[in-house]
Amino acid sequence: AQSVTQLDSHVSVSEGTPVLLRCNYSSSYSPSLFWYVQHPNKGLQLLLKYTSAATLVKGINGFEAEFKKSETSFHLTKPSAHMSDAAEYFCVVSDQGANAGKSTFGDGTTLTVKP
Amino acid sequence: SAVISQKPSRDICQRGTSLTIQCQVDSQVTMMFWYRQQPGQSLTLIATANQGSEATYESGFVIDKFPISRPNLTFSTLTVSNMSPEDSSIYLCSVEGTSGGAVAQYFGPGTRLTVL
Repeated sequence: AQSVTQLDSHVSVSEGTPVLLRCNYSSSYSPSLFWYVQHPNKGLQLLLKYTSAATLVKGINGFEAEFKKSETSFHLTKPSAHMSDAAEYFCVVSDQGANAGKSTFGDGTTLTVKP
Repeated sequence: SAVISQKPSRDICQRGTSLTIQCQVDSQVTMMFWYRQQPGQSLTLIATANQGSEATYESGFVIDKFPISRPNLTFSTLTVSNMSPEDSSIYLCSVEGTSGGAVAQYFGPGTRLTVL
C-alpha cells in the first residue's frame, strides 16, 4: 500500500523568502516520488521527480526536493519565492509493486505569495 | 513527455444525463488512467485502462457509473452516467511517459463538468 501526507494545507510566504512544502510518504516498495503544480484553471505540471537516483532532485522554476528515506520525507523547497509560484502543489507517490503505474496524490498545499 | 488532449474542455449537464469524455495521446501508451478532482480537493484515481482488456476500477468506482473504452493505444473515453450534482468535478486523463530517462505521469488539461 502507498500513501502520502502533505503536512500543510496552506502555506503563505512573502516574495523573495524561502518556500518549504512538506510531504511524508508511505510505500511498501521503493517508491517514485513527484511534485506537481496546478495553477488556477490550468492543468497539472510536473515539477520534479525522484526515482532512486540522486536524493537531491532539482526541478523546474528553481524548485528542488530532497528524498530522506530515514524520515520518509520528500519536502519541496525554493530559496526565493516569486509571485508566479502561487498555486496548488501536490506530492505524489508511485511504487513498483502491485500499484505500479498508479499514483497516489496528497491532499495538496496551497501556496500564497505576498508582495 | 506525452502530449494529451481532452474533449470537451468543460460542459454543463442536466441531472440524469450522461457525458462521454475523450482523451487523445500523441504516442502509443500501454496504460491510460482516469482521475477525478472534486472541487477544492486532490486527485483520486477512478480506473486504469489497458488496450484490449476491461478497465480496472478503484474502490468506490464501478463500471456501470463510469464505463471506459480503450479501442487503441492512443485513445480512451470515460463516460459519466446518470449524472448527479455530486459528479461535478474535473476529470483528467493521464499516461505514463519518460522524462530524462525516468518514468513520470503526464496529465491532460482536464474536463470541467458541472451537473445541475
